[in-house]
Amino acid sequence: GIQVEQSPPDLILQEGANSTLRCNFSDSVNNLQWFHQNPWGQLINLFYIPSGTKQNGRLSATTVATERYSLLYISSSQTTDSGVYFCAWEADGSEKLVFGKGTKLTVNP
Amino acid sequence: DAGVTQSPTHLIKTRGQHVTLRCSPISGHKSVSWYQQVLGQGPQFIFQYYEKEERGRGNFPDRFSARQFPNYSSELNVNALLLGDSALYLCASSTGEGYEQYFGPGTRLTVT
Repeated sequence: GIQVEQSPPDLILQEGANSTLRCNFSDSVNNLQWFHQNPWGQLINLFYIPSGTKQNGRLSATTVATERYSLLYISSSQTTDSGVYFCAWEADGSEKLVFGKGTKLTVNP
Repeated sequence: DAGVTQSPTHLIKTRGQHVTLRCSPISGHKSVSWYQQVLGQGPQFIFQYYEKEERGRGNFPDRFSARQFPNYSSELNVNALLLGDSALYLCASSTGEGYEQYFGPGTRLTVT
């Protein structure tokens, strides 16, 4: 199956700092999404981004499908950004989502 | 509009018991998928149902089963519970046409 490397595995920031999270894939993936899982377990949709660049407030994402990677940018981080960030993609031509191992982000005040 | 809803929020069961978890998708969505997330890992796919038919199944034992009702809500059933079934169970809703999936708040199951 497709291998994914999600980096960094852990990240600690001071409030106001910027960060870049990355997913590298061993092969082409379909219908890539980025999620934020808050400390209560809720998975929150950030971006549906099979290709190209999208922005939503302080967050933006870029997927370069031909080079098999996706980036999530967080600017001016806030303590509420803490949690685990997952990239996920659809496998087997179905709607089965396969998740990376996640990046655990801690933003300190 | 209401998002994906799941019930119950928390559940404690004993080994060997049976459990039923419930999910209501976003209005207009016809597909429901179930995922299991154990502590420290990403969610793992269990089932997908679309228009009341099973469309996909993950690598889980036959103790796990699910169904979808005419109103597109869904149930996940787990028989003969094991300690290792303790996890957060997540339901995801989509149109079923290969686009974005939206997750509910989850049911946290503890098996003692």
